[in-house]
Amino acid sequence: QKEVEQNSGPLSVPEGAIASLNCTYSDRVSQSFFWYRQYSGKSPELIMSIYSNGDKEDGRFTAQLNKASQYVSLLIRDSQPSDSATYLCAVNVPARQLTFGSGTQLTVLP
Amino acid sequence: ETGVTQTPRHLVMGMTNKKSLKCEQHLGHNAMYWYKQSAKKPLELMFVYSLEERVENNSVPSRFSPECPNSSHLFLHLHTLQPEDSALYLCASSQDRASRDTQYFGPGTRLTVL
Repeated sequence: QKEVEQNSGPLSVPEGAIASLNCTYSDRVSQSFFWYRQYSGKSPELIMSIYSNGDKEDGRFTAQLNKASQYVSLLIRDSQPSDSATYLCAVNVPARQLTFGSGTQLTVLP
Repeated sequence: ETGVTQTPRHLVMGMTNKKSLKCEQHLGHNAMYWYKQSAKKPLELMFVYSLEERVENNSVPSRFSPECPNSSHLFLHLHTLQPEDSALYLCASSQDRASRDTQYFGPGTRLTVL
């Protein structure tokens, strides 16, 4: 079982729709969770971090964490073509290093 | 701009060459990292430095040799590489190595080994 799993996609949504990106992780003691966005040919940039169960909102982005289900998601409201990128989920376990998923490729269709 | 710079941005080298990648962070961070990103694979952590001391080496071949002369600079020395080493090499830094510390990435060096 992979430590951090994401659907590779591609995920396509129409402009203005909600894009939902999902991530599951295997280590129950994971404490910190990050979503990075990576445009083609560029480096990852942080979008959101979340540490507690529940929702965390920042503009059009909402991160959701459910530690009991070992599940973290990212919702993008009012999706724009500029949101088209690969989204990386990363999980941090105490005393270990950040572990990344393979990423989900999102395409927002105009 | 994340405050982490990398040079060169692109590098083409033969298998017998020796080259070095450079990373510099202007964030006052204490931890620095080298990652390898190959197509369709997750980011692979290669090396971790904390306060200039190497704290982790994830079974990386000896043809990759890191150097951290101070907390702002990190190098990756390359020699006798293989074509499968072609990838995007990313440098990152974080305040420290606590689990909540965000890692900030540089723009990467696209390496092609012929």
